[in-house]
Amino acid sequence: EIVLTQSPATLSLSPGERATLSCRASQSISSYLAWYQQKPGQAPRLLIYGASSRATGIPARFSGSGSGTDFTLTISSLEPEDFALYYCQQRGTWPTFGGGTKVEIK
Amino acid sequence: QVHFVQSGAEVKKPGASVKVSCKAAGDTFTNYFLHWVRQAPGQGGLEWMGWVNSNTGSTNYAQRFQGRVTMTRDSSISTVYMELSSLTSDDTAVYYCTRDCGGDCSDAFDFWGQGTTVTVSS
Repeated sequence: EIVLTQSPATLSLSPGERATLSCRASQSISSYLAWYQQKPGQAPRLLIYGASSRATGIPARFSGSGSGTDFTLTISSLEPEDFALYYCQQRGTWPTFGGGTKVEIK
Repeated sequence: QVHFVQSGAEVKKPGASVKVSCKAAGDTFTNYFLHWVRQAPGQGGLEWMGWVNSNTGSTNYAQRFQGRVTMTRDSSISTVYMELSSLTSDDTAVYYCTRDCGGDCSDAFDFWGQGTTVTVSS
């Protein structure tokens, strides 16, 4: 099983600041990495697929990068609605998710 | 664009089974890979359980659920089902159905149901 490790567990930032979230895979997954945002009481929402492509309707302040084992989700300038949980996911034959990063208001 | 509506919350006793449904609307039901993902209470981690193909009914289950989960579909009503047996308190979770977008988005999960809460308690 491919293990995804997300860091940090919690990120405390203010609106307007830049957020950088990390996801590391236990083995190479090429670019089969997706990022999801989840708010309390809601289902996850796809943000980024293929490591760097924004899903339909996702604002340009969200960007993804990386390949192989190291990936990054960047939110260039945090809006109030961006404070949420973020998960990475590898999309091999047996998908797995990272443990999540909570972006909270400082 | 497709929209998934799941069945309502369930409360089950240990050892029982639960069957959750997921109905697709707004798009054709052909040739989806529909996955089930669960999440422990209090926004615990996300856990992939397996998928069912809406066309063929073929399935692929995560190893830890093999022998205990059954995923099926009824194409005539655009609905997929996930049945989990021999329930324990560890199965208390929110269960989501979600669509694999295939080559359109590198096999990510683009549309999700609203979730079904399953509580296992004596």
